[in-house]
Amino acid sequence: ETGVTQSPTHLIKTRGQQVTLRCSSQSGHNTVSWYQQALGQGPQFIFQYYREEENGRGNFPPRFSGLQFPNYSSELNVNALELDDSALYLCASSFGGGMDADTQYFGPGTRLTVL
Amino acid sequence: AQSVTQLGSHVSVSEGALVLLRCNYSSSVPPYLFWYVQYPNQGLQLLLKYTSAATLVKGINGFEAEFKKSETSFHLTKPSAHMSDAAEYFCAVSDGGGFKTIFGAGTRLFVKA
Repeated sequence: ETGVTQSPTHLIKTRGQQVTLRCSSQSGHNTVSWYQQALGQGPQFIFQYYREEENGRGNFPPRFSGLQFPNYSSELNVNALELDDSALYLCASSFGGGMDADTQYFGPGTRLTVL
Repeated sequence: AQSVTQLGSHVSVSEGALVLLRCNYSSSVPPYLFWYVQYPNQGLQLLLKYTSAATLVKGINGFEAEFKKSETSFHLTKPSAHMSDAAEYFCAVSDGGGFKTIFGAGTRLFVKA
């Protein structure tokens, strides 16, 4: 059984650029959630994808968007990067969407630095 | 709205001593409660979860937590700290098992030799 993997591990971008982060869910899982963890803080829920549809969103602007593919892997896209977007981005996979989602399993994260 | 408060951003214990990390939650519905551990430059690992089955929940690595509805608390304990327990610990709450999980700010645990 493979765990949740994320790529890349580190990324450096400049303000205004766009970035795409990738996540492969754990085998058997059909739901992916994305979280942003700023330095010294707890993770904050960005959104969840269940069966290729967005299924819940936290308090993040529309320039944060995502995709889920038929194999349940997922992408997080951030447009018009701002300095405050510098953070660790965590992906978590689970089985079942919304309130029925089972326990989440987290990947190692992608560290994004915006200069 | 749900929220989580972790009391103490840093906790220091001696090796072999009791570990107690405090968490209080707010939820308008019966909550799902979690404790996660994060080692430097790594993702989150689930220690244990409460889903209304039993109020005392046992997790991995000797950790356990007790759900106290009257106190809206879900404190994490371990009878004897080990050096390998040094990490960041997050308490979290959600309506469902893995949906819109709200995390606390974290407590950094230091273990002294």
